[in-house]
Amino acid sequence: AQSVTQPDIHITVSEGASLELRCNYSYGATPYLFWYVQSPGQGLQLLLKYFSGDTLVQGIKGFEAEFKRSQSSFNLRKPSVHWSDAAEYFCAGVSVLNDMRFGAGTRLTVKP
Amino acid sequence: EAQVTQNPRYLITVTGKKLTVTCSQNMNHEYMSWYRQDPGLGLRQIYYSMNVEVTDKGDVPEGYKVSRKEKRNFPLILESPSPNQTSLYFCASGWGASDTQYFGPGTRLTVL
Repeated sequence: AQSVTQPDIHITVSEGASLELRCNYSYGATPYLFWYVQSPGQGLQLLLKYFSGDTLVQGIKGFEAEFKRSQSSFNLRKPSVHWSDAAEYFCAGVSVLNDMRFGAGTRLTVKP
Repeated sequence: EAQVTQNPRYLITVTGKKLTVTCSQNMNHEYMSWYRQDPGLGLRQIYYSMNVEVTDKGDVPEGYKVSRKEKRNFPLILESPSPNQTSLYFCASGWGASDTQYFGPGTRLTVL
């Protein structure tokens, strides 16, 4: 079955430190891949997306993600985390069948 | 302002009392979808619609109905709500399933 997995439920990083959030996918063919962010009490906002081509994707708010076909991964990174980045992050995939699947989410806490 | 609106934002109801959660978008998007968000499970797709009068089941359609009579509206109907449908519900819209999804603010539903 098609699925998206986020292995880390909760991550804590210090402000200014680098960040990497993991995402793995299981699809028959490479899906379209997305990262969304959800601030407390809010809906989801798109950070970035990957369809094809360059495997390093730049997004908003200084985030980037790298698609690695060999590892079925699409990890999200940020070189220096700000306190305002504290939120829940969701990886998602869509196949040609138009069914979107989300990972369970990773909650990010930023320490001062 | 481009947006997806949902009403109501909060709803407490009792088992078996039919309810409708409305969703409306003003971006002329063809694709609309409903999700429920539960702790540890991320977002799960309930139903989606590729265009007017076209709807399809997502991962968890049981106990829900939808309709798409107009492009801008995509109401979610619970004919006979049960406590296991207590959840946070999000509506989203986009040009297609593989495009950026714009999410509504969410509807928190409690079924007693």
